[in-house]
Amino acid sequence: IAGITQAPTSQILAAGRRMTLRCTQDMRHNAMYWYRQDLGLGLRLIHYSNTAGTTGKGEVPDGYSVSRANTDDFPLTLASAVPSQTSVYFCASSEDKNNEQFFGPGTRLTVL
Amino acid sequence: RKEVEQDPGPFNVPEGATVAFNCTYSNSASQSFFWYRQDCRKEPKLLMSVYSSGNEDGRFTAQLNRASQYISLLIRDSKLSDSATYLCVVSPRGGKLIFGQGTELSVKP
Repeated sequence: IAGITQAPTSQILAAGRRMTLRCTQDMRHNAMYWYRQDLGLGLRLIHYSNTAGTTGKGEVPDGYSVSRANTDDFPLTLASAVPSQTSVYFCASSEDKNNEQFFGPGTRLTVL
Repeated sequence: RKEVEQDPGPFNVPEGATVAFNCTYSNSASQSFFWYRQDCRKEPKLLMSVYSSGNEDGRFTAQLNRASQYISLLIRDSKLSDSATYLCVVSPRGGKLIFGQGTELSVKP
């Protein structure tokens, strides 16, 4: 059982390009989340999904979009990347919105 | 004021020492509380949940003071492998997690 996988592991991207970060979980968890982690700021919630077919905005949603077509996948898209989106991105899932969250290994993104 | 505040450290302690981390939160309606551990460049992992009555897991003890909106984590008999960043996490109603920026611990031989 893999748990949560994220792809790519790392990416260097030119500003203005479109990028999709992938997240897949095999635990049949209902809720999924995207965070970014920046030095000195801790983890901040970008978007979340309490169940397949629904999504919601977190603390820092601007410049990002998500979709939740099925239970397992929760991709995060940067429509037009900017250097301030350079960060480490973590996907997480939980059985439901009130349970412990399990994190993927992260994607290190650099926007130049 | 940040919703969850922690002393960023670093805390440098010798093996065998007892170390305590503190955390304060601003939302009095918060319902769930956790300590996560994060190793360098890795994902956060749940260390323990924090209950109103306090709870212990081996060398780790967590305490919650709702009146003062304060959470603590005590690590006894520190090991080299305890070196990591410890994240205080608070969940208001609705299940979203609010993370503190973390306290770095370095245990030296």
